[in-house]
Amino acid sequence: GAVVSQHPSWVICKSGTSVKIECRSLDFQATTMFWYRQFPKQSLMLMATSNEGSKATYEQGVEKDKFLINHASLTLSTLTVTSAHPEDSSFYICSARDQTPGRGTSTDTQYFGPGTRLTVL
Amino acid sequence: LAKTTQPISMDSYEGQEVNITCSHNNIATNDYITWYQQFPSQGPRFIIQGYKTKVTNEVASLFIPADRKSSTLSLPRVSLSDTAVYYCLVGVRFSGGYNKLIFGAGTRLAVHP
Repeated sequence: GAVVSQHPSWVICKSGTSVKIECRSLDFQATTMFWYRQFPKQSLMLMATSNEGSKATYEQGVEKDKFLINHASLTLSTLTVTSAHPEDSSFYICSARDQTPGRGTSTDTQYFGPGTRLTVL
Repeated sequence: LAKTTQPISMDSYEGQEVNITCSHNNIATNDYITWYQQFPSQGPRFIIQGYKTKVTNEVASLFIPADRKSSTLSLPRVSLSDTAVYYCLVGVRFSGGYNKLIFGAGTRLAVHP
């Protein structure tokens, strides 16, 4: 299956700093990527949809100025947590659909990255 | 998007077959059913996807009755490494758009020796 990577896998930062998380589709093109957040023992919560070359679409209750998303290429989306605070500590996961031309859309399967553990002190 | 309902948890033993049923009474005509597996501190891993009847791959089988209001993920001969959370998702597939997946609580499967 298609591979999605995330960097870094974990990060610890001080309160008030900004942290950037990268999501890459390694062997396919993804014009659309998704960002999720997951707290311990809870399910994944969709934060936003990242669209290549256009603005991200945020879910209700997610602050767009707090969680900046950039999708500048067909294989890379970044999530920046600005002025991070301890309550932003969570597991952030991205996903992407294989939208490589010629491969078709027979399954529309989403592939998930390994996640990034953010700890804000 | 159709809401799904699954058991919160299940227990099994090594070597047994495990069947996890998911209810999606409001599934729409264009909706596909997808199952993911998630281990702690990892991203979900795609297991299987289907639209109707039965789908089988090297990992699992997916049974979908004619009315498509439920589906059953079948894991043959589970091992300890199958201990994980299993999510059933229903989403629309349409060209030019995207499938926005909304995760429910999932089913925590514990496999015992």
